[in-house]
Amino acid sequence: EPEVTQTPSHQVTQMGQEVILRCVPISNHLYFYWYRQILGQKVEFLVSFYNNEISEKSEIFDDQFSVERPDGSNFTLKIRSTKLEDSAMYFCALRASSTTDTQYFGPGTRLTVL
Amino acid sequence: GNSVTQMEGPVTLSEEAFLTINCTYTATGYPSLFWYVQYPGEGLQLLLKATKADDKGSNKGFEATYRKETTSFHLEKGSVQVSDSAVYFCALSDPLRGNNRLAFGKGNQVVVIP
Repeated sequence: EPEVTQTPSHQVTQMGQEVILRCVPISNHLYFYWYRQILGQKVEFLVSFYNNEISEKSEIFDDQFSVERPDGSNFTLKIRSTKLEDSAMYFCALRASSTTDTQYFGPGTRLTVL
Repeated sequence: GNSVTQMEGPVTLSEEAFLTINCTYTATGYPSLFWYVQYPGEGLQLLLKATKADDKGSNKGFEATYRKETTSFHLEKGSVQVSDSAVYFCALSDPLRGNNRLAFGKGNQVVVIP
């Protein structure tokens, strides 16, 4: 199973602040995803990323969110102006290639917006 | 659209008991089906998967069979251990959607009592 790390493990921020969550795949993957899990609720898809561009995004992924892979390694999720309802666990997931449909998840970042 | 339904409520059982967690799905195409497990304080780990009708996924004593006629993918284990205490998520991925976004069920908390 591929290793995926996420940093930070826990982020506490004030409402209106910008946060950047990072995902670092240990091995080469082509497809990247962000999901979130609000406490006690379903894991929800946010966005998928392939070939350095967004390939699909959900209705949750509005203008406050952005993703990039600036150095060809780290995959980041930025929230420009956090809201209380952004408090959740954010999971990065990776898929190796188009010939597999299995996604492997990172340990998650717990974001708390005060 | 694609969706996954898991039985309501936590599951509490004694060690060595038989575990069943129900999962049904709705999909427009021919999805791949997954069970992910989330141990306390950790991220999502792939437990098992099945990619076509009548396939059986198995891992760590857990099994689930892809039943197209009943659109189900119920998870079973014959004899649970305390270490199986976790949250279990059923999920599907529709390969017709090129990005293979995952749709998750709400999850079931399983508590195994010694």
